[in-house]
Amino acid sequence: GIQVEQSPPDLILQEGANSTLRCNFSDSVNNLQWFHQNPWGQLINLFYIPSGTKQNGRLSATTVATERYSLLYISSSQTTDSGVYFCASGNQFYFGTGTSLTVIP
Amino acid sequence: KAGVTQTPRYLIKTRGQQVTLSCSPISGHRSVSWYQQTPGQGLQFLFEYFSETQRNKGNFPGRFSGRQFSNSRSEMNVSTLELGDSALYLCASGRSGQYNEQFFGPGTRLTVL
Repeated sequence: GIQVEQSPPDLILQEGANSTLRCNFSDSVNNLQWFHQNPWGQLINLFYIPSGTKQNGRLSATTVATERYSLLYISSSQTTDSGVYFCASGNQFYFGTGTSLTVIP
Repeated sequence: KAGVTQTPRYLIKTRGQQVTLSCSPISGHRSVSWYQQTPGQGLQFLFEYFSETQRNKGNFPGRFSGRQFSNSRSEMNVSTLELGDSALYLCASGRSGQYNEQFFGPGTRLTVL
């Protein structure tokens, strides 16, 4: 199966700071998605981004399919951004191990 | 449009029992996938159903099984529960192609005592 590496595993930010999360894939990226897992466990869709760049408010994502990686940018972070961020891809979703983000006021 | 729903949300069982979890996909979606999330193993794919047929299967023992009905609702069953089956079980729905945007339900948290 596809190996998915997420970095960094943990991130602590001051409110207002910017951050970049990265996913590297061992194989072709077909249907890459970024998720935020809320405290109750639900995976909230952030981006469906097999290639290119998308933006949604303070969040944006870029996938370079030919180089098998994707980046999630969070600007002007807020405490509500805290949680675990996952990327996943593949016809049967292969998930990374997640980045745990803590934003402190 | 209603999202993906899962029932029950919480479940406590004892070792050796069996359990059935249910997932109703987004209206119009025909693919349902199931995932297990544990602190040790992370998020792992169990299986995917499309048009009542299992289309993909992960690396789980035969105690884990599933099915999909003609209305696309899906159930997964775990027989002879073990302590290690305690986990958050998530289902996701997608439209029809092999590569789809996936939408996840709130999950069922299973505790095996």
